[in-house]
Amino acid sequence: KNEVEQSPQNLTAQEGEFITINCSYSVGISALHWLQQHPGGGIVSLFMLSSGKKKHGRLIATINIQEKHSSLHITASHPRDSAVYICAVKNYGGSQGNLIFGKGTKLSVKP
Amino acid sequence: EPEVTQTPSHQVTQMGQEVILRCVPISNHLYFYWYRQILGQKVEFLVSFYNNEISEKSEIFDDQFSVERPDGSNFTLKIRSTKLEDSAMYFCASSTGAGVREAFFGQGTRLTVV
Repeated sequence: KNEVEQSPQNLTAQEGEFITINCSYSVGISALHWLQQHPGGGIVSLFMLSSGKKKHGRLIATINIQEKHSSLHITASHPRDSAVYICAVKNYGGSQGNLIFGKGTKLSVKP
Repeated sequence: EPEVTQTPSHQVTQMGQEVILRCVPISNHLYFYWYRQILGQKVEFLVSFYNNEISEKSEIFDDQFSVERPDGSNFTLKIRSTKLEDSAMYFCASSTGAGVREAFFGQGTRLTVV
């Protein structure tokens, strides 16, 4: 069983729709990251969470430590949001950077 | 905005050859990492590096791999004798300090072993 599970695996939305991507994990963590991987392959860090909620522009990330679950929301989605969104967790112990990655959610936003 | 720079963006090498992937982390960062992503698969942690030594490595990071910070700015990943299965995208990342910190990723180097 994967330690980090994301759903859905693929998501197609119309421009303007509200999007939610989910991440569940089975290990105790000290932090959870949401990353964006562009079609060319580059990775951008969107959020790092250890509790609560963070917002940046149209992106909102939440985490529920008790339920071992995080969500990434995109409001007013746009075709430029099309990318793979990856959830990654840092479990207790281990070095900084030893992240366990999910398989990613491929988002396609149609105009 | 500061960024992590990786070179080359794409490298093709013959099986059995040595390759060096280069990364220039953000200048005030102290922690450095390499990850790889085989095509179609999830990203995997390879190694973390702090204070001029490896702080942790995964089981993927065997004796064929080594890392070095040769001159205080570059951070390199060397694969001594490449295998076909080393073909992947390799990402470098860096962060400021210990504890919970945001990591900045490079754009990746696509390594193709033929």
